[in-house]
Amino acid sequence: KQEVTQIPAALSVPEGENLVLNCSFTDSAIYNLQWFRQDPGKGLTSLLLIQSSQREQTSGRLNASLDKSSGRSTLYIAASQPGDSATYLCAVILRSYKLIFGSGTRLLVRP
Amino acid sequence: NAGVTQTPKFQVLKTGQSMTLQCAQDMNHEYMSWYRQDPGMGLRLIHYSVGAGITDQGEVPNGYNVSRSTTEDFPLRLLSAAPSQTSVYFCASSYSGQRSSYNEQFFGPGTRLTVL
Repeated sequence: KQEVTQIPAALSVPEGENLVLNCSFTDSAIYNLQWFRQDPGKGLTSLLLIQSSQREQTSGRLNASLDKSSGRSTLYIAASQPGDSATYLCAVILRSYKLIFGSGTRLLVRP
Repeated sequence: NAGVTQTPKFQVLKTGQSMTLQCAQDMNHEYMSWYRQDPGMGLRLIHYSVGAGITDQGEVPNGYNVSRSTTEDFPLRLLSAAPSQTSVYFCASSYSGQRSSYNEQFFGPGTRLTVL
């Protein structure tokens, strides 16, 4: 059974710091992997989708990598800002299009 | 292009009442699904559909019913609400089939349901 784990569960950093969020999954037979952002009381906003044949994707200050063989993905946030404060969710996408979510990392960027 | 829309945003029910959560998308996505999000449990799949007329159960389907008569709409029905169904419900959609090489999933804003 596919399980997705995100470490750390919570993270507090000063503004301007570069940071890395980690996501690991137990079964490498995934189709794609997607990172989301969720603000308190809001829905999920898609940040990056990495296809299983890709190693990384970039969007602005965000860079996500994928290593299927080791069952790991990382989300790198450069020059963090207070507006980046949110919960970040990692989800593996199976060939059935189902998503299996991690429990998320709560990020606080202090001014 | 409105994306994925959900109504209502908030709902309070009494135990035993029934209701339908609405979900619609205007992106011509074949795949649609419903998740519930609970503290400490994360997001869990309730039901999903790979196209009009085709639905299947997810991880936590009990107490919920779905149908897919059109590509655009995927309503979720609570047949007899229970306090255990108090949760935030999210609808999602994506391409599938021939276009599944890039099946980025898009989520609606959610419905917060409280069952008393």
